[in-house]
Amino acid sequence: QSALTQPPSASGSPGQSVTISCTGSRSDIGYSNQVSWYQHLPGKVPKLVIYEVTKRAAGVPDRFSASKSGTTASLTVAGLRPEDEADYYCTSYADTNILIFGGGTKLTV
Amino acid sequence: QVRLVESGGGVVQPGRSLRLSCAASGFSYRDFGMHWVRQAPGKGLEWVAFISPDGTKSFYAASVRGRFTISRDRSKKNFFLQMLSLRAEDTAIYFCGKDDSFFNAMAVWGQGTTVTVSS
Repeated sequence: QSALTQPPSASGSPGQSVTISCTGSRSDIGYSNQVSWYQHLPGKVPKLVIYEVTKRAAGVPDRFSASKSGTTASLTVAGLRPEDEADYYCTSYADTNILIFGGGTKLTV
Repeated sequence: QVRLVESGGGVVQPGRSLRLSCAASGFSYRDFGMHWVRQAPGKGLEWVAFISPDGTKSFYAASVRGRFTISRDRSKKNFFLQMLSLRAEDTAIYFCGKDDSFFNAMAVWGQGTTVTVSS
């Protein structure tokens, strides 16, 4: 099963909003509501941002929101701040009992 | 304090074996599952394996199936990744990630342990 498709990069100025897409198939994103998003700074530990498609993890500001439509999930970061600059990965449970990661999107603020 | 600590990484020759450990502490006694996720140099995150909260089911990425085995001990707080027939492409930082459900999200991660497969 192939990796979920994310744009390699995204960018925005401080205060702006940016949306990162994550495209899968009917076997993963289209099949499951177990879609998550992680923030990862190089050399650091990945941090859960969103789980179960739309739920913010503990301590994550409400500037972060997410949704899903069909086989595409999206993460929106509003009111961009310099500390939001990181790699963002989507994941989805798939019907073959595996977890699939997206290729990652480097967000530049 | 909720914590996961990996260990067991190192440099190993192709074809050899290595066993990674992930020690969980600070959690309640509710059973939980565990993922292993890796990041090869310059690459993105890749899911490797998952063991279910009841410990009876294990699942693997195609790239490691048949070579890697995930397990936990009787205390249910120590998790392992036995890696056999290692290849150069297994070189990566390996993270364990706690999952309170079945293939849901990983809210707690360890700091990672580095595996280098090289002759």
